[in-house]
This record gives sequence, structure tokens and C-alpha cells, in this order.
Amino acid sequence: NAGVTQTPKFRVLKTGQSMTLLCAQDMNHEYMYWYRQDPGMGLRLIHYSVGEGTTAKGEVPDGYNVSRLKKQNFLLGLESAAPSQTSVYFCASRRPEGEKLFFGSGTQLSVL
Amino acid sequence: AQSVTQPDIHITVSEGASLELRCNYSYGATPYLFWYVQSPGQGLQLLLKYFSGDTLVQGIKGFEAEFKRSQSSFNLRKPSVHWSDAAEYFCAVTGGGNKLTFGTGTQLKVEL
Repeated sequence: NAGVTQTPKFRVLKTGQSMTLLCAQDMNHEYMYWYRQDPGMGLRLIHYSVGEGTTAKGEVPDGYNVSRLKKQNFLLGLESAAPSQTSVYFCASRRPEGEKLFFGSGTQLSVL
Repeated sequence: AQSVTQPDIHITVSEGASLELRCNYSYGATPYLFWYVQSPGQGLQLLLKYFSGDTLVQGIKGFEAEFKRSQSSFNLRKPSVHWSDAAEYFCAVTGGGNKLTFGTGTQLKVEL
């Protein structure tokens, strides 16, 4: 049972490049989330999804897009990367009704 | 809007000493409260959660937390800290809806 898997684990981009981060979960969870973690700021919610085909904005959605075409996958896209998007990105999933989040191991992204 | 404050950015304790990490939340109704721990280079792992009922909740690794509605607090405690407890700890709150809001974290250092 793999849980929540994020790919890639590390990535370096140049300003203006695009990329997609993939999150896959094998627990049949309805809810999936993308967070970014920055020093001194904790985890901030970028986007989330409450089911296949749905997405919603979190606290810091600007510069990011997401898609949930399949229940098990949640993609985070950066169309034109900026240095301010240098961060560690975490994907998480859970069942509804306030249950605990299961986290992936993170993606470290640097934008030069 | 819901929010979480963790007033201590860093805490250092000696191995074997007791520990208390502070967490204050803001939410209009009865919250769901969580404590997560993050080891270096890892995702977050749930320590314990409070939904309702007994205000003192027990978690994994010997941790406990007490919900105090009058103080809007959910402080994490451990009677005797082990060196392996060194990590970053996050308090989080949700109203049972879709979004979980995290505090900025407390970095725990354990001196041998």
C-alpha cells in the first residue's frame, strides 16, 4: 500500500518555465489537497478537490492551476514559474468528515 | 475565518524533561483539532486529534493534548521527551468542512 505518492521529489526550474507536479493516492480518498511549505509560514493551502472533476481555491492559488480528472490523481501546474514559487510542495488526501490527512513526502522546487 | 497560532517558533528541552507546545485557535463553533509532526525531509504524520467528548486526548508516541474551550487552546504535552522527538510540530484546525488550516509550526530541539 503506497499511500500518497508525489513525483518528482526535486526539480529546478528557470523563471518562466512550466511544469506539473503529480500526486497519486491509492486509498480511494475523496478529498485531495496541495500545500506549500515555506520557513516560518507553516503549510498554506494552494488548491483542493472534494471529488473527481472538482477543484477549489485555497489560501494562495495565484500562479497555480490544478486538475482532478481521475479520483486517484491530483495535478498541480505552474504555467510560468517565478522565484516566489520556490518552496516545498506537499500533497495530501483524506476521507470526508474531518478525518486525518495522509501526506506525501513532498516535492522540493527551486525556481531560479 | 478559522486560524491557528503557535506562539513558540523554537523550543529546546533536555531529554527526559516534560514538554508543552502551545496552540491557540480561532473558530466560531466547535472545532476539529489536530497535532501533526514532521521529521526532516518527510511529510506530516498525525499525532492526535480532537473531535468531541473527552477534552484530554491521547495520541501516538506518548503525546497527549487538552482541549480548553474557554482559552481556545489545544496544547500538546509529553511527560518525558526522547531525543527522537526532535522535529517540527504543527497544530491544525477545521470546522468539519473541506479545509484544514495549519499553524506556523514549532521546532523542537532535544538536548542530550
